[in-house]
Amino acid sequence: DTAVSQTPKYLVTQMGNDKSIKCEQNLGHDTMYWYKQDSKKFLKIMFSYNNKELIINETVPNRFSPKSPDKAHLNLHINSLELGDSAVYFCASSPGSGQGHEQYFGPGTRLTVT
Amino acid sequence: RKEVEQDPGPFNVPEGATVAFNCTYSNSASQSFFWYRQDCRKEPKLLMSVYSSGNEDGRFTAQLNRASQYISLLIRDSKLSDSATYLCVATGTASKLTFGTGTRLQVTL
Repeated sequence: DTAVSQTPKYLVTQMGNDKSIKCEQNLGHDTMYWYKQDSKKFLKIMFSYNNKELIINETVPNRFSPKSPDKAHLNLHINSLELGDSAVYFCASSPGSGQGHEQYFGPGTRLTVT
Repeated sequence: RKEVEQDPGPFNVPEGATVAFNCTYSNSASQSFFWYRQDCRKEPKLLMSVYSSGNEDGRFTAQLNRASQYISLLIRDSKLSDSATYLCVATGTASKLTFGTGTRLQVTL
């Protein structure tokens, strides 16, 4: 009965490969997010979807493409992986897209690009 | 200037001590503020929201000073289990959360 789940938990891959990370939430929330936490532990938002519509798209290379098939799922596809993509990627969800809504995070996907 | 700034620490305190963290934010339009806790190799978890009037949850007290644009977190009677990184968060538009880099707390025997 995990609230926000991500798969895989660990991902080790070589430069140039394409990979996907999946996220699902069973909280009935409308809004989902992808964050990247780098080696310095800085947590930065990448994308946000509200009811399957993109509402936040930070300055992220277009090798990263989010997809939301329904409001309970938000996947992240990464093309042509680079060494600098190594980080922990967190999915999160919140009840709505306005200010004041706390966010609930998944356990993270630790991506290592070699 | 970072949007949300925190002293990275570490703060090393003995069990039972009281410890306070401050955080400043630069976006005067921010409406909502939170403290999250992150344990090593785990996801951030909401510790508490921060209200204008200040709020308390057990041993934890959060304060907001809009005029000076800072937020504080006070932990009383520290426990070993309080050892973690504490992330200060301010919201901007479209529910975007801006996280500070965190303050590390280590509570020792």
